[in-house]
Amino acid sequence: GENVEQHPSTLSVQEGDSAVIKCTYSDSASNYFPWYKQELGKRPQLIIDIRSNVGEKKDQRIAVTLNKTAKHFSLHITETQPEDSAVYFCAAGGNNAGNMLTFGGGTRLMVKP
Amino acid sequence: GAVVSQHPSRVICKSGTSVKIECRSLDFQATTMFWYRQFPKQSLMLMATSNEGSKATYEQGVEKDKFLINHASLTLSTLTVTSAHPEDSSFYICSVGHGGGYTFGSGTRLTVV
Repeated sequence: GENVEQHPSTLSVQEGDSAVIKCTYSDSASNYFPWYKQELGKRPQLIIDIRSNVGEKKDQRIAVTLNKTAKHFSLHITETQPEDSAVYFCAAGGNNAGNMLTFGGGTRLMVKP
Repeated sequence: GAVVSQHPSRVICKSGTSVKIECRSLDFQATTMFWYRQFPKQSLMLMATSNEGSKATYEQGVEKDKFLINHASLTLSTLTVTSAHPEDSSFYICSVGHGGGYTFGSGTRLTVV
């Protein structure tokens, strides 16, 4: 089955700095890679996703890069703000709605004002 | 994307009793739903894949006789935690896959006392 590793487990940055979270996956058949932000006791919220036919995707301060050859993908948050503080999860899965998602271990991001 | 409703949001039950959690896909016919469990400060771990009209597929280490899944219609899947024990206390969350990605229910915080 799929195995997703996520690093770092905690990340502390100063407001305005950039934050980078990295994930690797094992199953070359995976072709959908979402990133979620989860606040305590709440459901994961999709912040950005990328599919295997794309190498990079950007949405305002958030960007994701994908290297299918190396089986790794990264989340980049620029100009971080205190409200970005949360736990972030990467995941890997198939394009089919019947395919499950496998999650990374999570990164607790703390943005200091 | 799909709208997913999960109920109840919180439940406290006595050890030895059973608890039923409902996951409804409000605007999307879901032949497959996913059930995850999340312990404090940990990632989402897939418990089982719920298949409409057939038996659920359980992940390794998840007891199918303890965590009963029923997916009798295209809009409803239920997870019943039978003979609950304190170690079953966790955050349970369902998910529906669709063409645009995955939508999560709001989660159920189960506390077994």
